[in-house]
Amino acid sequence: ETGVTQTPRHLVMGMTNKKSLKCEQHLGHNAMYWYKQSAKKPLELMFVYNFKEQTENNSVPSRFSPECPNSSHLFLHLHTLQPEDSALYLCASSQMTGSSYEQYFGPGTRLTVT
Amino acid sequence: GQNIDQPTEMTATEGAIVQINCTYQTSGFNGLFWYQQHAGEAPTFLSYNVLDGLEEKGRFSSFLSRSKGYSYLLLKELQMKDSASYLCAVMDSNYQLIWGAGTKLIIKP
Repeated sequence: ETGVTQTPRHLVMGMTNKKSLKCEQHLGHNAMYWYKQSAKKPLELMFVYNFKEQTENNSVPSRFSPECPNSSHLFLHLHTLQPEDSALYLCASSQMTGSSYEQYFGPGTRLTVT
Repeated sequence: GQNIDQPTEMTATEGAIVQINCTYQTSGFNGLFWYQQHAGEAPTFLSYNVLDGLEEKGRFSSFLSRSKGYSYLLLKELQMKDSASYLCAVMDSNYQLIWGAGTKLIIKP
């Protein structure tokens, strides 16, 4: 079961293109995350939004630009990417109050930069 | 620095038991999570341990020792569908998850 959706599921883009990834959560959570997953590497946290406010930016290059218009939607705007940015981009959400902090993930966007 | 270590790959036989270990060094500790990720799919939550001891949930159990910085995930009565990567993650003092690289579990008939 997943209450987190992501579009598109696959994306191929050239280095000069501009594209956006979209994430939507239907779980009523108050925190949303962008992760990068590369083969045989740990998940890399990119951005965190808590109650629509960005609380974390883990030294991510400016060619990645997040946007969180409300607590249910999260975007990742991409421009002038590099081939090493090819990876699986995962969105997640969680409830950051109470005693339960598990994150729920979307299916991811498989990004290839040519 | 912060570090999560787990084996890269393990192989087990259908119907058997397998234990996947995870050791960690983090700045602060607010719990340890195990996730399962099938190839091409999203990680899904399996367990959360914040106190020492064993938590059992059906065929899966998770153990935590905070003093040793150690956890394991125990899978019993293995099924072919258990072939997946198992991710260990620790929630640090800022309530952010620090992830291991994952253990790929291969189940053979």
